[in-house]
Amino acid sequence: ELKVEQNPLFLSMQEGKNYTIYCNYSTTSDRLYWYRQDPGKSLESLFVLLSNGAVKQEGRLMASLDTKARLSTLHITAAVHDLSATYFCAVDIPPKTSYDKVIFGPGTSLSVIP
Amino acid sequence: EAQVTQNPRYLITVTGKKLTVTCSQNMNHEYMSWYRQDPGLGLRQIYYSMNVEVTDKGDVPEGYKVSRKEKRNFPLILESPSPNQTSLYFCASSPRQGRGGYTFGSGTRLTVV
Repeated sequence: ELKVEQNPLFLSMQEGKNYTIYCNYSTTSDRLYWYRQDPGKSLESLFVLLSNGAVKQEGRLMASLDTKARLSTLHITAAVHDLSATYFCAVDIPPKTSYDKVIFGPGTSLSVIP
Repeated sequence: EAQVTQNPRYLITVTGKKLTVTCSQNMNHEYMSWYRQDPGLGLRQIYYSMNVEVTDKGDVPEGYKVSRKEKRNFPLILESPSPNQTSLYFCASSPRQGRGGYTFGSGTRLTVV
């Protein structure tokens, strides 16, 4: 069964601290995306990781992809309140005959507290 | 501005009354998709389209229809809505499957009573 798992599902962290969100997936893929969703809002693209070893950084967030381990990480450095949101990873499943889709993880709800 | 436009943002309707949620993108994207988001169930794909006149079922297509007569538009049709279709719906597009990720619309919150 195709699965994308995120860990943790809920995270409460203090401002200024560092933390990592993990995204594991169960099938071969070399394309992975991270999205952010604020409460009641749409999803916003954060990072597009298109190959093994890819690393992208934007502000206090850094994402990486290890396709051999089927693992992506989203690292938060010195968290601030504005980072409070739900973060989704999504894995692009390569085409197999007519099968071709993106599978989303369940999301990690992040709350940054003073 | 590059965007995916969904309408309406909010809709309350009654069981059995046909409705259409419109989706339009201005980025010349080939790939478009509809998702529903429910608490505890995450994002589930309803239908997707690889290009004009090419559509296929996602994970939860029952009770929904789509069409892709033009590249920019991908409407979602509920022929006979039921309360279990109460959800938050997102339309999304990408240049093509597997390239660059999605741009999402702002969402449609549908309530069926």
